Amino acid sequence: SYELAQPPSVSVSPGQTASIPCSGTKLGDKYASWYQQKPGQSPVLVIYHDTRRPSGIPERFSGSSSGNTATLTISGTQAVDEADYYCQVWDASLALFGGGTKLTVL
Amino acid sequence: QVQLVQSGAEVKKPGASVKVSCKASGYIFTNYPMHWVRQAPGHRLEWMGWINAGSGYTQNSQKLQGRVTIGWDTSASTAYMELSNLKSEDTAVYYCATRGYMYDSLDYWGQGTLVTVSS
Repeated sequence: SYELAQPPSVSVSPGQTASIPCSGTKLGDKYASWYQQKPGQSPVLVIYHDTRRPSGIPERFSGSSSGNTATLTISGTQAVDEADYYCQVWDASLALFGGGTKLTVL
Repeated sequence: QVQLVQSGAEVKKPGASVKVSCKASGYIFTNYPMHWVRQAPGHRLEWMGWINAGSGYTQNSQKLQGRVTIGWDTSASTAYMELSNLKSEDTAVYYCATRGYMYDSLDYWGQGTLVTVSS
């Protein structure tokens, strides 16, 4: 079955850049979305179509994709960005999520 | 503004069924698909299925095939997800989410409904 792989955790110091990769064999053919989820809250869409940022999402969030890897980048990371991040792709109308990455801002 | 309001928490015994509702407001319900996603404690998001709110066409994940039924009531702008033959591993928070109202992904989410399966 098709899977999306993410590192379980990423740590970053405040003000530094955090990069969260998501790899999958079909990522080159599909757009990736990224969701932020804080404890006890519903997920929030932060990136869609690999690189596009919804209105209201801070500019420090950006996305990229190359080959079989999509990457979420947070520039100038703030304490408020500490959360779980999930990548997701669409296979027609079916959604597949990555395993999630816990971002810790030390 | 778009709002998805889900029904309240449920406690069920193994083998029972649960039905979670998701009432939509702030947009034309039949114009956008509704997806269902669940998250077991400490686990990843898991896609369950979706419904075309205009036609009623549904697709479910293969893993849950035969146990999950997704439906809708257009007059009430409400989508439903029913899961049968509950097992302890079905204990999770269940979310509804729209796709494509503003952005081509899951752009609006309900607040989540905790379903606990315990004997």
